[in-house]
Amino acid sequence: DTAVSQTPKYLVTQMGNDKSIKCEQNLGHDTMYWYKQDSKKFLKIMFSYNNKELIINETVPNRFSPKSPDKAHLNLHINSLELGDSAVYFCASSLPGTGAPPLHFGNGTRLTVT
Amino acid sequence: AQSVSQHNHHVILSEAASLELGCNYSYGGTVNLFWYVQYPGQHLQLLLKYFSGDPLVKGIKGFEAEFIKSKFSFNLRKPSVQWSDTAEYFCAVRSSSGSARQLTFGSGTQLTVLP
Repeated sequence: DTAVSQTPKYLVTQMGNDKSIKCEQNLGHDTMYWYKQDSKKFLKIMFSYNNKELIINETVPNRFSPKSPDKAHLNLHINSLELGDSAVYFCASSLPGTGAPPLHFGNGTRLTVT
Repeated sequence: AQSVSQHNHHVILSEAASLELGCNYSYGGTVNLFWYVQYPGQHLQLLLKYFSGDPLVKGIKGFEAEFIKSKFSFNLRKPSVQWSDTAEYFCAVRSSSGSARQLTFGSGTQLTVLP
């Protein structure tokens, strides 16, 4: 069984479109994240949700809006896509709290904006 | 704020060669340290972690890392690499009192092992 699953794996779209990426985890974790990995493989956190509540938003443009219908799901909706949004987006989950075990990542969604 | 530096951007080795990837961090307090590996087209997987105790940590697939507090380093080593070790390796750090969301990643080192 896949612990953290994301769909789609690949997403190619044009500038100005709106798209969504879905993420689900079956680990029973309370905390979920979205990370962006740019073309230089630099990995940066975008959002963190704890039990459906946003607890961090690292200066991400308003065009990005996470939605967490329940603690097992954290979807990412992107409005008015721009060329600079092209990247690999990783969903992850973990247990909450200090000293918590590290992240479990999904397989990533490669977004290409043309 | 904490930060992580991986000075080797791309390392190319032949099979059976020994590996050492550098990782240095900056943070004033006690830390937890991690190495993640990303095989081509796959997600990041935890290779090993250091929380406390013995500074020499052994991970999966024959990898190990040594935490040297005085040098703020957590270098990754493997005595003899295999072609299947070709991947991107990421070092990460967080405060030991921090949560997973405060994990800071380095920029990664691409390891290519030639058969």
